[in-house]
Amino acid sequence: QVQLVQSGAEVKKPGSSVKVSCKASGGTFSSYSISWVRQAPGQGLEWMGRIIPFLDIPNYAQNLQGRVAITADKSTSTAYMELSSLRSEDTAVYYCTRGGAAPYAFDIWGQGTMVTVSS
Amino acid sequence: QSALTQPPSASGSPGQSVTISCTGTSSDIGGYNYVSWYQQHPGKAPKLMIYEVTKRPSGVPDRFSGSKSGNTASLTVSGLQAEDEADYYCSSYAGSNNWMFGGGTKVTVL
Repeated sequence: QVQLVQSGAEVKKPGSSVKVSCKASGGTFSSYSISWVRQAPGQGLEWMGRIIPFLDIPNYAQNLQGRVAITADKSTSTAYMELSSLRSEDTAVYYCTRGGAAPYAFDIWGQGTMVTVSS
Repeated sequence: QSALTQPPSASGSPGQSVTISCTGTSSDIGGYNYVSWYQQHPGKAPKLMIYEVTKRPSGVPDRFSGSKSGNTASLTVSGLQAEDEADYYCSSYAGSNNWMFGGGTKVTVL
């Protein structure tokens, strides 16, 4: 069974960047998409963007264009999400999730990474 | 793009049914049969409950069912059980390799 394991919690200053990793184990990595979804405290889910590793072409939510970068390393089955110019509103739990056998849904989720932006 | 619209809360007694709506537009829900639903318990990652409007992943009880009419999708939980108390989120493909989520509905089992 595929598992997605994310990197640990981060505390960042406003204006800085954060890079969160998501390592897949137990199955095929390259042929499925990996999306990133965030959830601010007490709020709903927000889709941020995705990548299909074997194509290596990312897509981003319009409101995050220019600040987010999603990459994938096929050799280590790891996806990355980097968010720059951080502000307090970026404080959230960040999840990676797989678009699997049903490619338009998200069937496997990482455990989440808390990113806190505070001066 | 605005989030899909869900009621903030819904409730029912054990054994009853509850239905949650999710309203979008012709550019998302109405344009594609790619609506999915997720259950999230406090402090946990979301879990896929329904995909492609009506399909259930292996292991999801058949008490959970989905439907769609026009620009509105619905999730029905029949035979409510205590463990169904959670937040539920809808999601839809919105074209051009973009996805949207609803604001979430908190389901309370009375």
